[in-house]
Amino acid sequence: TQLLEQSPQFLSIQEGENLTVYCNSSSVFSSLQWYRQEPGEGPVLLVTVVTGGEVKKLKRLTFQFGDARKDSSLHITAAQPGDTGLYLCAGGKYGGSQGNLIFGKGTKLSVKP
Amino acid sequence: GAGVSQSPSNKVTEKGKDVELRCDPISGHTALYWYRQRLGQGLEFLIYFQGNSAPDKSGLPSDRFSAERTGESVSTLTIQRTQQEDSAVYLCASRFTGIQGYTFGSGTRLTVV
Repeated sequence: TQLLEQSPQFLSIQEGENLTVYCNSSSVFSSLQWYRQEPGEGPVLLVTVVTGGEVKKLKRLTFQFGDARKDSSLHITAAQPGDTGLYLCAGGKYGGSQGNLIFGKGTKLSVKP
Repeated sequence: GAGVSQSPSNKVTEKGKDVELRCDPISGHTALYWYRQRLGQGLEFLIYFQGNSAPDKSGLPSDRFSAERTGESVSTLTIQRTQQEDSAVYLCASRFTGIQGYTFGSGTRLTVV
């Protein structure tokens, strides 16, 4: 069974701090996606990375796909209260079931003003 | 519509009753997914439809759960003889093809009392 482990599970920080959340697996993925989910809403896609070692930036968010395509990280610079939410990573499998995406359990981020 | 629409947004039902949840995907999206999200948890895959292919039902937790999709349009998820452990948010997502990310609906919050 392919699993995606996310860490930390919970993170509470002050506005202006930097943070990194991790998504790790023993399996290789064809792509890796990050989503953010706010209470009462469905997850919203932030980014897709497909190449080992790839780095993508989205304003204050930096996403990296590991060289071996088994892990990924999300770094947020100068966090703001609007960044609060559940961050989910999802790995794309080569073929197979479950619609080709495996979701981690998420990191719940709280940014306090 | 522009997004994935789910109805109802909230459903309270008595234990033992049947419920039907509806999902309207984005027009033209060939793939449709149902996930379950228990309070504070990640996404649990339920079922996946891709075009006219046989659906991947590998995530359905019991034979009380079933889903249908007509062509590339609306899908319904039916839960028969509901149990309290069925209480969760049921999320629907659709996707066009390839490695594009999923577009999620806002979910149906099911409470079995």
